[in-house]
Amino acid sequence: AQSVSQHNHHVILSEAASLELGCNYSYGGTVNLFWYVQYPGQHLQLLLKYFSGDPLVKGIKGFEAEFIKSKFSFNLRKPSVQWSDTAEYFCAALGYNTDKLIFGTGTRLQVFP
Amino acid sequence: ETGVTQTPRHLVMGMTNKKSLKCEQHLGHNAMYWYKQSAKKPLELMFVYNFKEQTENNSVPSRFSPECPNSSHLFLHLHTLQPEDSALYLCASSQDLGGGSETQYFGPGTRLLVL
Repeated sequence: AQSVSQHNHHVILSEAASLELGCNYSYGGTVNLFWYVQYPGQHLQLLLKYFSGDPLVKGIKGFEAEFIKSKFSFNLRKPSVQWSDTAEYFCAALGYNTDKLIFGTGTRLQVFP
Repeated sequence: ETGVTQTPRHLVMGMTNKKSLKCEQHLGHNAMYWYKQSAKKPLELMFVYNFKEQTENNSVPSRFSPECPNSSHLFLHLHTLQPEDSALYLCASSQDLGGGSETQYFGPGTRLLVL
């Protein structure tokens, strides 16, 4: 079955620390990958997406993610987090020729000043 | 961000009530979606509409009844819900059903509590 796994459920960091959130997907074919962010009290917003091409994708607010096909992974990274990055982060996958976006359970990130 | 709006933002209803959730997108998109977000569970796709036609019903109970009168509006009619239906209901839209290449844009959600 198609699925997306986020193994870090809750991450707590201090400002300026580096961040890496794991995402693994299970899909039988070509897949498009997304990271969405949900700030407290706000709606889901697209952070970045990978469709094809350079496997290192840069998104908004200094975030990047790397698609590693051999590992079925699409980890999210940021070299130096800020307090304003406190939010919940969702990885999602959309199989080629499907319209069903599959989400992971989310990772709650708390950044302390 | 006013691309996708949802009303009401919060709703409390009894199990015998009938209520409706409304979603409106101002992005000129053709596809719209309903998702359910429960605590500690992944977002679950409920329904997909493309050009007002339902293309996906993800085994959703009949107490949830969607309606899409046009490409800009999507409703979710609720009746005889159960307490376990309490969740955040999210609406999303995308330009088209692109066969895996469309980005979805989400509304703020309606927080539903069923008593």
